[in-house]
Amino acid sequence: RKEVEQDPGPFNVPEGATVAFNCTYSNSASQSFFWYRQDCRKEPKLLMSVYSSGNEDGRFTAQLNRASQYISLLIRDSKLSDSATYLCVVNKYSSASKIIFGSGTRLSIRP
Amino acid sequence: DAGVTQSPTHLIKTRGQQVTLRCSPKSGHDTVSWYQQALGQGPQFIFQYYEEEERQRGNFPDRFSGHQFPNYSSELNVNALLLGDSALYLCASSSRLAGNIQYFGAGTRLSVL
Repeated sequence: RKEVEQDPGPFNVPEGATVAFNCTYSNSASQSFFWYRQDCRKEPKLLMSVYSSGNEDGRFTAQLNRASQYISLLIRDSKLSDSATYLCVVNKYSSASKIIFGSGTRLSIRP
Repeated sequence: DAGVTQSPTHLIKTRGQQVTLRCSPKSGHDTVSWYQQALGQGPQFIFQYYEEEERQRGNFPDRFSGHQFPNYSSELNVNALLLGDSALYLCASSSRLAGNIQYFGAGTRLSVL
């Protein structure tokens, strides 16, 4: 079983729709969580950190459920420019930090 | 303020050769991590360097080695290249004081023929 699992998609939704992704992680020692966005043939870029209390940044909302070991990302009023791959990232720290990426969920927004 | 820079951007090698990739971290960052990203997959953690030492390692063979210099820049070396080593190699820098958020360079695309 992978340490971080995501639905690969693709999700194909119309502009203006609301779309949600989930990500599950297997290691309860995981300490911090992030969503990254990666455009085709580009490097990943930080979208937002994920906190236990949940956090919102404009049209984007991230939630963390430590008991069930999953992270979610909600995108409201989706735009064409939201088309990308969304990577779930988990940081677990023992003697040093180890970052684990999910395989990513592809999102395509159609006009 | 320069972000993370990697060189070269593209590289073509043949099986059995050796390759060295380079990374300069974002200003103020002291930790460098290397990742391998195959097409359609998420980045796979290779290893992380801090204070010129390898601190963590993913599931990669010893053919993959690295180094960090006193100025925090880093190299990734891969020996005895295999066809399966063809991938995008990403370097990310971070700082423990800034929550270990990874900032990525644009990557080096390695093709092994």
